[in-house]
Amino acid sequence: GDSVTQTEGQVTVSESKSLIINCTYSATSIAYPNLFWYVRYPGEGLQLLLKVITAGQKGSSRGFEATYNKETTSFHLQKASVQESDSAVYYCALNQGGRALIFGTGTTVSVSP
Amino acid sequence: EAAVTQSPRNKVTVTGGNVTLSCRQTNSHNYMYWYRQDTGHGLRLIHYSYGAGNLQIGDVPDGYKATRTTQEDFFLLLELASPSQTSLYFCASSDALGSYEQYFGPGTRLTVL
Repeated sequence: GDSVTQTEGQVTVSESKSLIINCTYSATSIAYPNLFWYVRYPGEGLQLLLKVITAGQKGSSRGFEATYNKETTSFHLQKASVQESDSAVYYCALNQGGRALIFGTGTTVSVSP
Repeated sequence: EAAVTQSPRNKVTVTGGNVTLSCRQTNSHNYMYWYRQDTGHGLRLIHYSYGAGNLQIGDVPDGYKATRTTQEDFFLLLELASPSQTSLYFCASSDALGSYEQYFGPGTRLTVL
């Protein structure tokens, strides 16, 4: 079935350094799923960070970027310079047609001052 | 003000206990969802609904009932709680399935002793 894989459960990075969170997907029932990044800040619910619904396109929000790569079936999230306020849990997700989202396991990012 | 609220925020019960988790959304959305979040599993869909009186089975429905009483209110019922249901539960709403953004509540942490 369809799935989303996030290989890093926890990432620690220093403030002002770059961050990359890996996400790969498998979508067997549809060729071009819609891809999302959600973020959960401490004590809050998940909120949409960015989404891309067209292969080859890039989404960006709050300094984060992710490119929908159909060839490598990846949707990695990147930020050039992180801040302490970026400490959160990040979830990659896909949607295939008229169905509910499928989430990855989440990556906890801790930014140290 | 928060558009998706959940109550209680924390709940402790014993094995065999009866638990009801409540969710209310003021987004006027048609769809509402219940997820559970466990370490190493990401968010898994328990049940969802596309309107009052409707219920759709998700990916991990065993041991859970749900009821959508109004467009705003969606309840998750655990009639014989077990320790395996200890988890963080999220409610969400969206305008429709597919690529539409989901709006999440802050979560309910349930512990079954």
